[in-house]
Amino acid sequence: DAGVTQSPTHLIKTRGQQVTLRCSPISGHKSVSWYQQVLGQGPQFIFQYYEKEERGRGNFPDRFSARQFPNYSSELNVNALLLGDSALYLCASIYSSNTGELFFGEGSRLTVL
Amino acid sequence: GESVGLHLPTLSVQEGDNSIINCAYSNSASDYFIWYKQESGKGPQFIIDIRSNMDKRQGQRVTVLLNKTVKHLSLQIAATQPGDSAVYFCAERANTGFQKLVFGTGTRLLVSP
Repeated sequence: DAGVTQSPTHLIKTRGQQVTLRCSPISGHKSVSWYQQVLGQGPQFIFQYYEKEERGRGNFPDRFSARQFPNYSSELNVNALLLGDSALYLCASIYSSNTGELFFGEGSRLTVL
Repeated sequence: GESVGLHLPTLSVQEGDNSIINCAYSNSASDYFIWYKQESGKGPQFIIDIRSNMDKRQGQRVTVLLNKTVKHLSLQIAATQPGDSAVYFCAERANTGFQKLVFGTGTRLLVSP
């Protein structure tokens, strides 16, 4: 089985632009979480979705939004990009909403110039 | 607030030595703890987990110890190999009803041949 897949792997944007990142969970996993990892730090929780509904949100501004589709894939959108949004964005999937280990994808590296 | 921290940012060992990576956590409500390994340019990889009702769990070459009295977590790697070189993160999950992990800043393990 394929692991968690994310796209694009790398992208460069300029301040003020918008970006959409995509994630496909492991087959059979119904929950997806998004994390932001700034260089040199641990990942920080952004969102968790389960069965297309938001189950949790971290301390991020409203410029960050996400959604989950019927096939359990997910998109993370960031509007009005700032230089500080430059980071590795990680998607993780788990089988159920609140139990079990998280499996992470390789991430999408976003650079904002 | 919640925080997970590490005592040593970098740990250098010789191949074949045993490695111990330490972590302190602050949220006594956390019910689940995980160690992740992250190699350069990759997403975090699950190593081992432990629930708050346990104090020790062993895997293949790895052991996690949990001391809830002093809110301390450690990862022991036996017979460390060059392939173990990576950044190691501990993470905790508070019993919030959804899967939010709080990560520390990480410890870099350098294994010399």
